[in-house]
Amino acid sequence: NAGVTQTPKFQVLKTGQSMTLQCAQDMNHNSMYWYRQDPGMGLRLIYYSASEGTTDKGEVPNGYNVSRLNKREFSLRLESAAPSQTSVYFCASSKGQLNTEAFFGQGTRLTVV
Amino acid sequence: DAKTTQPTSMDCAEGRAANLPCNHSTISGNEYVYWYRQIHSQGPQYIIHGLKNNETNEMASLIITEDRKSSTLILPHATLRDTAVYYCIVRVGRYNFNKFYFGSGTKLNVKP
Repeated sequence: NAGVTQTPKFQVLKTGQSMTLQCAQDMNHNSMYWYRQDPGMGLRLIYYSASEGTTDKGEVPNGYNVSRLNKREFSLRLESAAPSQTSVYFCASSKGQLNTEAFFGQGTRLTVV
Repeated sequence: DAKTTQPTSMDCAEGRAANLPCNHSTISGNEYVYWYRQIHSQGPQYIIHGLKNNETNEMASLIITEDRKSSTLILPHATLRDTAVYYCIVRVGRYNFNKFYFGSGTKLNVKP
């Protein structure tokens, strides 16, 4: 069971470079989420997609864009990376209803130098 | 949006029950309480969730007060592998349009 798969697992970028974090789920879930976690802190919601074809901002969307490519895939793009975006990024998915849990990927550790 | 308050850290002896409290005094009637844990820097792991009744599964029990303003996660026999950060989350939104907001969580230290 793959669950939620994130690629890459590690990445180092130079300031100003761009990159896309990939996320795919094989559970036929409707909703998908991107979070970031800074050292010693909890997860903060960047963007989410309630269903295929829709995306919405979370708590900290500035500097990011997302694409819900299809029901399985939800990508996060950094157009011009900044050191403040150094973090661990987690993707998650859920069926979407209030009484169903979310499943998380293992994270992408991004360092911007 | 409902927010949660948890102690920053707690200690528990191995083999004893760990009781982790959470306050969510602004919770709305249709919002569920979820518990997750995060071991080291892995992805958060689902533990349990509930609306107003107490819940139990193979990992833990969830006790929700009658007024729903607080809850307690119980790990009945803590082991060293239960050392982790535990997050109490209120899932906010409408039925099919909702999201999880994480707080800072409780660092549970299980000691031999």
